[in-house]
Amino acid sequence: EIVMTQSPASLSVSLGERATLSCRASQSVPSNVAWYQQKPGQAPRLLIYSASTRATGVPARFSGSGSGTDFTLIISSLQSEDFAVYYCQQYNNWPPGGTFGPGTKVEV
Amino acid sequence: QVPMVQSGAEVKKPGASVKLSCKSSGWTFTRHYVHWVRQAPGQGLQWMGIVDPRDGSTTYAPKFQGRLTMTRDTSTSTIYMEVSSLRSDDTAMYFCTCSLANEYYFDLWGQGTLVTVSS
Repeated sequence: EIVMTQSPASLSVSLGERATLSCRASQSVPSNVAWYQQKPGQAPRLLIYSASTRATGVPARFSGSGSGTDFTLIISSLQSEDFAVYYCQQYNNWPPGGTFGPGTKVEV
Repeated sequence: QVPMVQSGAEVKKPGASVKLSCKSSGWTFTRHYVHWVRQAPGQGLQWMGIVDPRDGSTTYAPKFQGRLTMTRDTSTSTIYMEVSSLRSDDTAMYFCTCSLANEYYFDLWGQGTLVTVSS
């Protein structure tokens, strides 16, 4: 099973600043990586799939990049509603629903 | 309109079973695989299994083999997941989810069902 690691575990950022979140797969997953945002008490929300494609309705300040084993989510200018936990997921390999990273908490 | 509506919170004793439901609304039930993902308190996301609403076929994560049963009722557009032999570490929020593109990332989610296992 592919293990996803995320760094940092938490990130302190000010409003308007840029946030860079990293995700690494234990083996190559080409571009089959998604990113989710989760706020307390809510279900995750899909932000990015295929490593770099924004999901419907996701603001342009969110961008994803990477391939193989290293992936990055950038929030270009943090808004108050962006403070949340972000998870990466690989869906290239077994199991069918993929595996998730442990998350990065973005806080003020 | 909430696309996936889950059943309410449950409290169960160790060793019991729990059956959760997930009803689709506003999308074609039989066109999309439905997955279940759980999240223990303060923890990350864990994929549990998948059911094909067309024929009811299932695949479960090895960790849950033997304790998990996913079924569907096409007449009510509802997916069910039963977890047996509950333990305290099954305490978690359980989400049903699917991909409208039938990929393995998830763009539709239920609101979650909290299951608490406690003696």
